[in-house]
Amino acid sequence: EIVLTQSPATLSLSPGERATLSCRASQSVYSYLAWYQQKPGQAPRLLIYDASDRATGVPARFSGSGSGTDFTLTISSLEPEDVAVYYCQHRSNWPPLFTFGPGTKVDIK
Amino acid sequence: QVQLVESGGGVVQPGRSLRLSCAASGFTFSSYAMHWVRQAPGKGLEWVAVISYDGSDKYYADSVKGRCTVSRDNSNNTLYLQVTSLKTEDTATYFCARDLGSSWYYFDRWGQGTLVAVSS
Repeated sequence: EIVLTQSPATLSLSPGERATLSCRASQSVYSYLAWYQQKPGQAPRLLIYDASDRATGVPARFSGSGSGTDFTLTISSLEPEDVAVYYCQHRSNWPPLFTFGPGTKVDIK
Repeated sequence: QVQLVESGGGVVQPGRSLRLSCAASGFTFSSYAMHWVRQAPGKGLEWVAVISYDGSDKYYADSVKGRCTVSRDNSNNTLYLQVTSLKTEDTATYFCARDLGSSWYYFDRWGQGTLVAVSS
């Protein structure tokens, strides 16, 4: 079973700063990794899939990179509405089992 | 627009059963695989189950295997999750989610969730 770890657990930045979130897989997941944003009291929202493809309607300040075991979600210039928990996610090959990382909470200073 | 609306949650005693529903609209429901994902209060996301577009294939997380049954009614655009022998650790908000494409990798649209509280 592939385990996803995320760091840091919490990130506190000022508006306009760059946010860098990390997701590490216990073994290679190639580029089969997604990122989700969950704002307080809301359902999750798909941001990035296949490691670097932005989902429909996602602002350009969100970008994803990486392959293999190390992945990064970058918010180029943090906005107050970006306060949320961000999760990475992967699906195992077969049988299809879907795994989420523990999440990174992004706060505004 | 795509809409997913869950219902059927509530307070239920341990050992009892519950059936959750997810009403879909705004897209061709019968063309998409669908998932259930849950979130315990204050915790992270846990995938529960997936069902293929036509209901022929189903897979479950180990934590619920044998106690959960996912099904769908494509004529009524509705997804279901039957949970039996409920445990306190099943307490969570249950989300239904649409699969992104035909390869079953990601969840591109989510409902707002329905809360299940298992308590005596």
